[in-house]
Amino acid sequence: DSGVTQTPKHLITATGQRVTLRCSPRSGDLSVYWYQQSLDQGLQFLIQYYNGEERAKGNILERFSAQQFPDLHSELNLSSLELGDSALYFCASSASGTAGYTFGSGTRLTVV
Amino acid sequence: GQQLNQSPQSMFIQEGEDVSMNCTSSSIFNTWLWYKQDPGEGPVLLIALYKAGELTSNGRLTAQFGITRKDSFLNISASIPSDVGIYFCAATLSTMRFGAGTRLTVKP
Repeated sequence: DSGVTQTPKHLITATGQRVTLRCSPRSGDLSVYWYQQSLDQGLQFLIQYYNGEERAKGNILERFSAQQFPDLHSELNLSSLELGDSALYFCASSASGTAGYTFGSGTRLTVV
Repeated sequence: GQQLNQSPQSMFIQEGEDVSMNCTSSSIFNTWLWYKQDPGEGPVLLIALYKAGELTSNGRLTAQFGITRKDSFLNISASIPSDVGIYFCAATLSTMRFGAGTRLTVKP
């Protein structure tokens, strides 16, 4: 157990739908990062939050949005889903000033 | 730009052999890291490198932060079956970027 909790573990939904993925960071970590991993691909950085505020944005589609709440948990919202959005979505967290991220086990999203 | 080019894409080796993989970029980074991902799990940090030229070991794993700050390598000595998985290089400037991964298969 890495200390980063992601729910749900699996999600199957239809095209055009909207889903919310949830992440609880490791205790004490202020930064949360979201990554997308398509089949047999590397991890693509989507977005970072630090203590409730957006800190950096990567290759995140306009149909996707995220937020970090006062208790530091984060949600990634994916809307108007397309088949190509099927992927593993990972959340990671880190303490301020550290380079190494701790990853959760991911949410496997399947869009049918 | 900040793309990381990781090679090889895959490796098939015999148990006991040594393994070497590397990552290069045209950009300079502040930190280089190596992660391992097992099926159905998130990446786990193996080694983090913070200074150009730094050479760090973690058991049978050795990694180096290139002197130009644009590359890094990871060596695994005397491989064992549980070394199987996907190894990712990663590097940070403002955010962390990942290489495409090296899929390692170890034959007993």
